[in-house]
Amino acid sequence: DQQVKQNSPSLSVQEGRISILNCDYTNSMFDYFLWYKKYPAEGPTFLISISSIKDKNEDGRFTVFLNKSAKHLSLHIVPSQPGDSAVYFCAARQITTSGTYKYIFGTGTRLKVLA
Amino acid sequence: DVKVTQSSRYLVKRTGEKVFLECVQDMDHENMFWYRQDPGLGLRLIYFSYDVKMKEKGDIPEGYSVSREKKERFSLILESASTNQTSMYLCASSKSRQGKETQYFGPGTRLLVL
Repeated sequence: DQQVKQNSPSLSVQEGRISILNCDYTNSMFDYFLWYKKYPAEGPTFLISISSIKDKNEDGRFTVFLNKSAKHLSLHIVPSQPGDSAVYFCAARQITTSGTYKYIFGTGTRLKVLA
Repeated sequence: DVKVTQSSRYLVKRTGEKVFLECVQDMDHENMFWYRQDPGLGLRLIYFSYDVKMKEKGDIPEGYSVSREKKERFSLILESASTNQTSMYLCASSKSRQGKETQYFGPGTRLLVL
């Protein structure tokens, strides 16, 4: 059962416009969320994160919004650039039964920014 | 700069072979993770370790085992490889148990089991 879902497998956006990537989750106990970007033949790299006590976090062109009541987060990229073309994964932190932490990843959204 | 290295970028093995995937990190991180990435399924956690000789099952541990004899090295073992273990394997590390540190990923090993 997928606890973290990215329902759009792909997205195309014109250069300079806004890219909005969405992520839904089912577990209300998740308390920390991250976005990663992955280029082909490379491992994912961290992009931005947000704690569940906040509803927005901004870092340059990247903003993450969290709507806890809807169990939904989104990543906004403004303005989009061709170098942003990659697969984006959202991830949610879960406390394990042994008191450690693990991350549950979504299925990914492939973003293509058109020049 | 944190570096996570994986022993092979591409690997081809036969069904039934024992396969070792090695991961090394150079930043004295406590936590290390093994994921597999498959189309339409995202990254799924196989095993993780928060200390030397400690390991914990992830979401899909069946058919895999791990070894962490040294802090910097985390090995994933496929005891008897099967075709459904053909996948991209990603290793990651993070600094401590608090969990709010980002994970640093290696470049991945693409494994093909024939």
